[in-house]
Amino acid sequence: DAGVTQSPTHLIKTRGQQVTLRCSPKSGHDTVSWYQQALGQGPQFIFQYYEEEERQRGNFPDRFSGHQFPNYSSELNVNALLLGDSALYLCASSSRRAWGYTFGSGTRLTVV
Amino acid sequence: GDSVTQMEGPVTLSEEAFLTINCTYTATGYPSLFWYVQYPGEGLQLLLKATKADDKGSNKGFEATYRKETTSFHLEKGSVQVSDSAVYFCALSDSSYKLIFGSGTRLLVRP
Repeated sequence: DAGVTQSPTHLIKTRGQQVTLRCSPKSGHDTVSWYQQALGQGPQFIFQYYEEEERQRGNFPDRFSGHQFPNYSSELNVNALLLGDSALYLCASSSRRAWGYTFGSGTRLTVV
Repeated sequence: GDSVTQMEGPVTLSEEAFLTINCTYTATGYPSLFWYVQYPGEGLQLLLKATKADDKGSNKGFEATYRKETTSFHLEKGSVQVSDSAVYFCALSDSSYKLIFGSGTRLLVRP
């Protein structure tokens, strides 16, 4: 049973560019959350998607946007990249039927 | 807002030593509390959880007790192994859908 799959694993972008990160949730999960983990810090909640809609959002600017598809997979988009956006981006999936988050291994984004 | 504070690392121990990593929280309601572990190059794995006061979570020899009176959820293990070397995160979840994490504590266990 595959867990949460994130792609790509590593990415290097230039300031001002746009990036899209992808997440496939664990089988049976219908909810996807995204977190940003800066180096040496704990993960910070970006937003959560359920039934293809953003259900809750953390304290992140509108440059961060997302999408959930009918198959429950999700994308995180970041526009106008800043150096400070360099971080590990974690996707976590869950099910409304039972508590429990499963995290992916993350996408390491470096902005130069 | 809600927050989690945990002791700064790194914590360096010899194999078979006793481990304590302190965690305190601030929350307006009655959150659920968690410990997650992150091994190098990997995502987060749930280590243990407790959903109400006085609950004790346990897994793989690790334990933590939900102390409402001291707003704490300290992680303990009686005898650490080299394989326990990782970063440990304390977290809470309130009535919303998100997890709030502490800044993490790196544990290094020497043979």
